[in-house]
Amino acid sequence: DVKVTQSSRYLVKRTGEKVFLECVQDMDHENMFWYRQDPGLGLRLIYFSYDVKMKEKGDIPEGYSVSREKKERFSLILESASTNQTSMYLCASSYEGGGEGGKLFFGSGTQLSVL
Amino acid sequence: DAKTTQPPSMDCAEGRAANLPCNHSTISGNEYVYWYRQIHSQGPQYIIHGLKNNETNEMASLIITEDRKSSTLILPHATLRDTAVYYCIVNTSYGKLTFGQGTILTVHP
Repeated sequence: DVKVTQSSRYLVKRTGEKVFLECVQDMDHENMFWYRQDPGLGLRLIYFSYDVKMKEKGDIPEGYSVSREKKERFSLILESASTNQTSMYLCASSYEGGGEGGKLFFGSGTQLSVL
Repeated sequence: DAKTTQPPSMDCAEGRAANLPCNHSTISGNEYVYWYRQIHSQGPQYIIHGLKNNETNEMASLIITEDRKSSTLILPHATLRDTAVYYCIVNTSYGKLTFGQGTILTVHP
């Protein structure tokens, strides 16, 4: 089975801290994604990557950056955490194209609280 | 990507088939229909996808109308564990999926 592992299930940080959320997949997927989910707003795409060292902005990239140095790892970085970044963060991965690109495998999520 | 419309909620009796509809009248020829579900406090789970033909796997069946403007996800024998939010998404397989509000399916004993 495909496994997408997020480094932490729960995380508490202070305003202004630099926060790293790590995601690792074990199926050699080309595509990796970061979403956040908030009550009433659903899942929103922050950033995605189609290859190593490649990244594209999603719908809400402000306040975030990403890093993909290796194919299996995709990191989300909050440069200076703010309270409005308190959310559930979900990482996902998929193969590229042929209908499989939209078959995303999600991690369990990281509930981040910024105080 | 084409927009989808789903009912906000549905109920189903345990053991009966659950039929979840989705309208996607502006779907284009190269767009797939994907279905996901999300159980509370977990990440979304892929269920099934299709382009033109009906599809079936171990979880569900997907029926796509001939004009591709709507589809139905069928859970043949719903169980209490199928209670979840179900998302219908139309996408070109680019992977950049947009999740709407979905349908809250409640399976009753």
